[in-house]
Amino acid sequence: KQEVTQIPAALSVPEGENLVLNCSFTDSAIYNLQWFRQDPGKGLTSLLLIQSSQREQTSGRLNASLDKSSGRSTLYIAASQPGDSATYLCAVASGYALNFGKGTSLLVTP
Amino acid sequence: EAEVAQSPRYKITEKSQAVAFWCDPISGHATLYWYRQILGQGPELLVQFQDESVVDDSQLPKDRFSAERLKGVDSTLKIQPAELGDSAMYLCASSLDRSSTEAFFGQGTRLT
Repeated sequence: KQEVTQIPAALSVPEGENLVLNCSFTDSAIYNLQWFRQDPGKGLTSLLLIQSSQREQTSGRLNASLDKSSGRSTLYIAASQPGDSATYLCAVASGYALNFGKGTSLLVTP
Repeated sequence: EAEVAQSPRYKITEKSQAVAFWCDPISGHATLYWYRQILGQGPELLVQFQDESVVDDSQLPKDRFSAERLKGVDSTLKIQPAELGDSAMYLCASSLDRSSTEAFFGQGTRLT
């Protein structure tokens, strides 16, 4: 069974800092990897989708990389803002299902 | 912009009562997922449909949970009877197909 781990579990940074969230997975046979954002009590918002054949994807201040062979992905957030405060979830698509990590809870302080 | 619709947003029930959640996926999406998310955890798959067929319900507690997608469009997830441990966020998601496409989630139903 695919196991997905996210580190750190929680992170607090001052506004303006660049930061990196980490995701690792145990089975490299994946279709794609998605990063989601979840605000308290809300559903999931898709941020970036990386296909298994891709190395990275960028959207605005967000950049996600994928190293399938080592089972790792990183989400880089540039120039963080208080509005970025949320839980960030990594999900790996393998065996036709999405397997999620427990998320990283991010707090960006003004 | 197309969205996955879920209702109700919130549901309060008592132990042993029946509850039902509804999901309308993005039009044209063949694959529909129901996930359960316990507070502080990542979502866990309950059931996956491809059109009207169940392709994975291995994690669905079938003694009390049931799910259907009769016409391959919207779907209903039912719990009967509800137990205290069922308190969670129930999330519905859809994607064009089962493999390489992006999954889109609804706002979820919070069950207490």
